[in-house]
Order: sequence, then structure tokens, then C-alpha cells
Amino acid sequence: EIVLTQSPGTLSLSPGERATLSCRASQSVSSSYLAWYQQKPGQAPRLLIYGASSRATGIPDRFSGSGSGTDFTLTISRLEPEDFAVYYCQQYGSSLVTFGQGTKLEIK
Amino acid sequence: EVQLVESGGGLVQPGRSLRLSCTASGFTFGDYAMSWVRQAPGKGLEWVGFIRSKAYGGTTEYAASVKGRFTISRDDSKSIAYLQMNSLKTEDTAVYYCTRDGPYGMDVWGQGTTVTVSS
Repeated sequence: EIVLTQSPGTLSLSPGERATLSCRASQSVSSSYLAWYQQKPGQAPRLLIYGASSRATGIPDRFSGSGSGTDFTLTISRLEPEDFAVYYCQQYGSSLVTFGQGTKLEIK
Repeated sequence: EVQLVESGGGLVQPGRSLRLSCTASGFTFGDYAMSWVRQAPGKGLEWVGFIRSKAYGGTTEYAASVKGRFTISRDDSKSIAYLQMNSLKTEDTAVYYCTRDGPYGMDVWGQGTTVTVSS
């Protein structure tokens, strides 16, 4: 099983700032089958990024993903008030899908 | 509109069984793998398992925490995926989501159904 470790656990920033979220895998993620999801309280998660760097339909271009192998990053270039939420990375390149434990992005 | 709607959640005693359903609409259900993901109260997301499309054999994979107790199946004629949960434990208490899977990740999620395992 591929273990995903996200850091930091909580990130406190202000609107307009840049957010950088990290996801590290215990072994190489196959073909960059790495996704990022956003979840707001009381809502289902929403797909933001797939294939490590491709934005899902309707996702603003302030969201970007990068990385390969075992190290991946989600960057939000300029935080909007609606971006404060919990973010999860996920690998889906193996038969056993796994999620990271999440990073909570909170307003400073 | 592409949509997934889960149903079948509720309160159940430890050791009992429950079957969840996920009804799909707005897309060709049979073309997609489907997953179940759960979230315990105040916790993160946990993948439960998935079922491949018939084109890929319709086979299933499960997380170690549920293997041997949970079974995922599908009825493509009705556009429904099922999660049969047996020998339920208190730690299975969670919101259960079904998702549409593909090379683009889990791109469609249902609203979730709550399962509470308690005596």
C-alpha cells in the first residue's frame, strides 16, 4: 500500500497570499496518477487536480499541481475566501487507492 | 446532469448487515469504474473499494480494513452500484460516498449517506 503524507497539517494564511501544500508518497506513484481534492464542511469532496498537474473541469487557474515520483505539490496562487477548506491528495495508480490525511487551510 | 445519489444508510447494531445503493444518472454508467469512499466523524477520507467496468472484467478491490466483510457489485441495466456491508463494527461508522472513477480521478461524488453502527 502506498502511504501518502501531507504537510503541513494546518496552514494559516490570509486571502491574497500564496498557499503551497505538499504530498509525499512512500513509493513512486504510477504514471502520475495523483489527484487533489477540496472538501468544505458538510460537503462532498471535489476533484481539483488529476494526473498530478491537470485541472479538472471548472477549476480556476489559480489552482495548480506539480510533481512526479514521490513528491507532489498543490499551489493556490492567490487565496480567495472560498479556498479555505481541507485538501486531500490521493493516488489511484495502484489497485489499492489511498488518500493523504489532509491539510486544513485556515484563515489567519 | 451527471449525478450520483447514495441511499440505504442508517443506524445498525454491531455484527449486523446493511446494503448501500448508489444510483447514477446523466452518463453511461457501464463505461466507468465506481468506488466507495468513507469518512468517519471528524476524520479524513478512506477509500473502501472499487468495482471495474465490465470492459475491464468487473472485478473488485478492497481496502484491508473491509476486505472479507464488504462486497461491491453493480447492475449496469439499472445504473446502480451497491456496497454490501456485513459484520459491521462500530469503527465502520461514517459517511459513505460513491464516486465515478477514471483516469481523471474521482470526478463525480454523491452527497453521501450516513451509517451509524451502535448498540
